[in-house]
Amino acid sequence: QVQLQESGPGLVKPSETLSLTCTVSGGSISSYYWSWIRQPAGKGLEWIGRIYTSGSTNYNPSLKSRVTMSVDTSKNQFSLKLSSVTAADTAVYYCARDGMTTVTEGAFDIWGQGTMVTVSS
Amino acid sequence: DIQMTQSPSTLSASVGDRVTITCRASQSISSWLAWYQQKPGKAPKLLIYKASSLESGVPSRFSGSGSGTEFTLTISSLQPDDFATYYCQQYNSLPTFGQGTKVEIK
Repeated sequence: QVQLQESGPGLVKPSETLSLTCTVSGGSISSYYWSWIRQPAGKGLEWIGRIYTSGSTNYNPSLKSRVTMSVDTSKNQFSLKLSSVTAADTAVYYCARDGMTTVTEGAFDIWGQGTMVTVSS
Repeated sequence: DIQMTQSPSTLSASVGDRVTITCRASQSISSWLAWYQQKPGKAPKLLIYKASSLESGVPSRFSGSGSGTEFTLTISSLQPDDFATYYCQQYNSLPTFGQGTKVEIK
């Protein structure tokens, strides 16, 4: 079955850019939407944005000015860049399949295990 | 953006209890609502989509109902594996989540 795996640095300095990649295995990345979601320790879930395999994107308005997502269908991967990070961006970052083209029509039906990113000097 | 408000924030219950969690949207979202279960250190797991459709493999003791602005997740008979935090999420527009409801052992 389809599995997702996040990868990237676990420590990022303030004001720098956080970069994460999600690798899709067990199925094709094509014809689906893919999202990034984050969760600060002890807090709730925040949707960051989504990308379709054509490259079209939607971002959370509260993060839009700092977020860039991209997709590489040849590698079955999609990526997140979050610029000008501060301590408030410290969180577990999840990638997930956004079910807009599945039977759920928009629920997140497959999740990666999550990766902890700490912003600190 | 659409705000999602869950109640209660914490719920204490015993094995075998019937449990109900409520989620309210700040505007109508039709039936575009999902429920997730999250255990410590794990990713959320989809339980219910389109307000009342059970995700494949999820036990039938979980059910969802509602439309418009008010929704409920019901666990008909709480099992030991069900102690967790539950989140609702709307996808009528750009996704937003409720703040979560922790179901703990009474």
